[in-house]
This record gives sequence, structure tokens and C-alpha cells, in this order.
Amino acid sequence: EAGVTQSPRYAVLQEGQAVSFWCDPISGHDTLYWYQQPRDQGPQLLVYFRDEAVIDNSQLPSDRFSAVRPKGTNSTLKIQSAKQGDTATYLCASSFGTGDTQYFGPGTRLLVL
Amino acid sequence: GDSVTQKQGQVTLSEDDFLFINCTYSTTTYPTLFWYVQYPGQGPQLLLKVTTANNKGISRGFEATYDKGTTSFHLQKASVQESDSAVYFCALPGTQVVGQLTFGRGTRLQVYA
Repeated sequence: EAGVTQSPRYAVLQEGQAVSFWCDPISGHDTLYWYQQPRDQGPQLLVYFRDEAVIDNSQLPSDRFSAVRPKGTNSTLKIQSAKQGDTATYLCASSFGTGDTQYFGPGTRLLVL
Repeated sequence: GDSVTQKQGQVTLSEDDFLFINCTYSTTTYPTLFWYVQYPGQGPQLLLKVTTANNKGISRGFEATYDKGTTSFHLQKASVQESDSAVYFCALPGTQVVGQLTFGRGTRLQVYA
């Protein structure tokens, strides 16, 4: 069974540039999560979906971040105008239902200069 | 709100040493508790989980016991190997955001041969 896949694996931007991250969850998993992991910290939830619906995005900086999952499978997280403080690893995870084990992808390491 | 505390930022051991990683939690419920392990360049992966029903989780030589009295969920291993070098995260499900995992800051384990 294929795991969670993410692309790109690395991104380097200047402040003010835009970037998109893509995630393909485990087949059959209805719940998809995006986490931000700053260096030397634990992952922190940004947003999560059940199927195509956003269940919680209260921790997503809505002025610059957006996330979609239009068909309830793959998902895209976008940063409109990146800041140096956005430097982190962005992790996607999926699960079958909420409360079940979350399976993480390898992450995208973002560096904003 | 829910929180997880890992006091040790780094633990350095030699092969065959005993491992103890401290984790305490604060929550109003008695949820399933998780330990995740993150190897360099990878996303976190589930190491073990424990519910109030079974109180103890064991996986790959690691074990953790759910102690509601001291609100602790320490991770132990009798004899570590160099391949155990990684970052270990304690996590619990959120109650304010259902579906969220709240992670500790992580404990980096370095094992020398």
C-alpha cells in the first residue's frame, strides 16, 4: 500500500513569492490534515478536511494561506505571499475517520529568504 | 487547553543503554495517547498508542504506560541501538479541535555505537 506522498520535497523562496504544496493521501482515507513543523518543534495543525469539506481551519493564517481538496482525494496548500516566519516543514497526513491513527507524508521543507 | 510536555530536548546514549523519555499531559478527558518517531528527512510515524482500556503499549522493544494518576506517558526501551536515533514525539488528540493531534516539542535521541 502506497503511503502519503507530497511534492515538492524542498522549496526556496524570496519573501513575497507564492508557493503551492501538493498531497496525495493513502487511498481510501477520507480525512486529510496539513501541519506546519517549525525547526526543532512538533507539528502544529493548520487545517483538516473530511472528504472535500473543511472541518477546521482555525489555525490557518487566512490572509495568506489557503487549502483545498476539491474531489476529496488530493489536496493543495498555498501560501500567497511568503514571509521568513513561514520557514518550516509542511506535513500532510491522512486517516480513516478522525481519532484514528494519522499517517504522515515525508513533508515539504520550505525556506523563505 | 490540551497540552503535552516533553522536558528533555535531547538524550544522548550508548548502544545497549536504557532509554527513558519523559512525557506529561494535560487534558480534561482520557484519550488515546500516542508516541510518534521521526527519522531525518521523513514525516512522523506511529510508534505506539495506548488507550485507557489497555493502559500499556509495546512496539519494537519500546513501551509506554498510561498513568492517569500522574498524567504521564513516559517512553522506555531496555536496550537502545544506533538505529533508534531519531526524534520522538508524544501526542494526544485535541478536545477543542476534534481530529487534531497536539504534539510535544519532541526529544532528539542520539545513540552512539
